[in-house]
Amino acid sequence: SQTIHQWPATLVQPVGSPLSLECTVEGTSNPNLYWYRQAAGRGLQLLFYSVGIGQISSEVPQNLSASRPQDRQFILSSKKLLLSDSGFYLCAWSVAERLYEQYFGPGTRLTVT
Amino acid sequence: TQLLEQSPQFLSIQEGENLTVYCNSSSVFSSLQWYRQEPGEGPVLLVTVVTGGEVKKLKRLTFQFGDARKDSSLHITAAQPGDTGLYLCAGLSYNQGGKLIFGQGTELSVKP
Repeated sequence: SQTIHQWPATLVQPVGSPLSLECTVEGTSNPNLYWYRQAAGRGLQLLFYSVGIGQISSEVPQNLSASRPQDRQFILSSKKLLLSDSGFYLCAWSVAERLYEQYFGPGTRLTVT
Repeated sequence: TQLLEQSPQFLSIQEGENLTVYCNSSSVFSSLQWYRQEPGEGPVLLVTVVTGGEVKKLKRLTFQFGDARKDSSLHITAAQPGDTGLYLCAGLSYNQGGKLIFGQGTELSVKP
């Protein structure tokens, strides 16, 4: 069966510090991978998605970036965090044949102070 | 911009009551998903509906996709405290390249 991992679970970082959040998927090959941000426990905002290694599409211009160094690894980064980057970050995966069914990781709660 | 509007945004009911959550749009979607999310956790996929007029049942939960594929509803019968959580609808549009559009969610609280 497929599983998705995210770490860390929680993170408190000062403004201006770098960020690296990691997501890995097990039990599937060549998944589509997604990064979302959820503010105040409400709707999800798509940040990045990837259909393959090294292929990243950005949805929202901001100071965040994403990379996919391996088939089942997706990394969200920032060189300098802003207060507005605080939120709940969710990684998700889907298979190409069923793009509409996305499966989410446990999330990372990021607080920028 | 395609939007999905959920209503109500907040719902607080007593155990045993019935409720319906709505997800509406002016756009057509090729499929629509419902997720449930508990605090501090990722959303969990409940159901996918793909055919206009389709009805799916999951125990006490009934999901319906509108005939025109622009709206959906989630009905819970005899709600229980374990149903408490954030319910999110998400739609896959024909021209969004596999990206889901999420509603803002309905926060449900079922009191014993």
